Amino acid sequence: SQQGEEDPQALSIQEGENATMNCSYKTSINNLQWYRQNSGRGLVHLILIRSNEREKHSGRLRVTLDTSKKSSSLLITASRAADTASYFCATAPYNTDKLIFGTGTRLQVFP
Amino acid sequence: DAGVIQSPRHEVTEMGQEVTLRCKPISGHNSLFWYRQTMMRGLELLIYFNNNVPIDDSGMPEDRFSAKMPNASFSTLKIQPSEPRDSAVYFCASSFATGVGSDTQYFGPGTRLTVL
Repeated sequence: SQQGEEDPQALSIQEGENATMNCSYKTSINNLQWYRQNSGRGLVHLILIRSNEREKHSGRLRVTLDTSKKSSSLLITASRAADTASYFCATAPYNTDKLIFGTGTRLQVFP
Repeated sequence: DAGVIQSPRHEVTEMGQEVTLRCKPISGHNSLFWYRQTMMRGLELLIYFNNNVPIDDSGMPEDRFSAKMPNASFSTLKIQPSEPRDSAVYFCASSFATGVGSDTQYFGPGTRLTVL
């Protein structure tokens, strides 16, 4: 079964608003990554946070990681219509090169 | 630099036919991953290679699926015989792996397979 479960499954907001997506996982990890997928395209890496980090920023993206709760959140600030996509969290277990992808959140940003 | 290259981008075939999907990873990457994405099952890891050696094929659905990586710059995923339930988008991804937890994976554009 997939390790990561995202919440919500779908999110609709207006341009300029913030979007928050959550991810929960089950086992110990080396790192957690977030990817974006535009319709009909491959996944694109957004940000990686290591297990010893609690927060990371990249442009309008802010990721948090709580290893005690086995959860992460992705915040997109000041959203744009171009942010419309599906967002996936992926966990990297120790001692393996695999990524385990979550179910994804479909984000729709209306202009 | 070119990203991960996949071919064909679209494949339509009839049930029972053999299908071969191809992937060229990013030069210098030592790990290659094959995924399948469907609405029902989401994104599933089928198999991954490290230094051209298959490491984990536990996601390969059945014996009809096989994958090879004859060298560092080429991999194939073959389905023989194909069935309608194999219809999906198949992604190839590559990364530089250290064996202590996956680093960033770079995805190709995918092959959309339709089996009639």
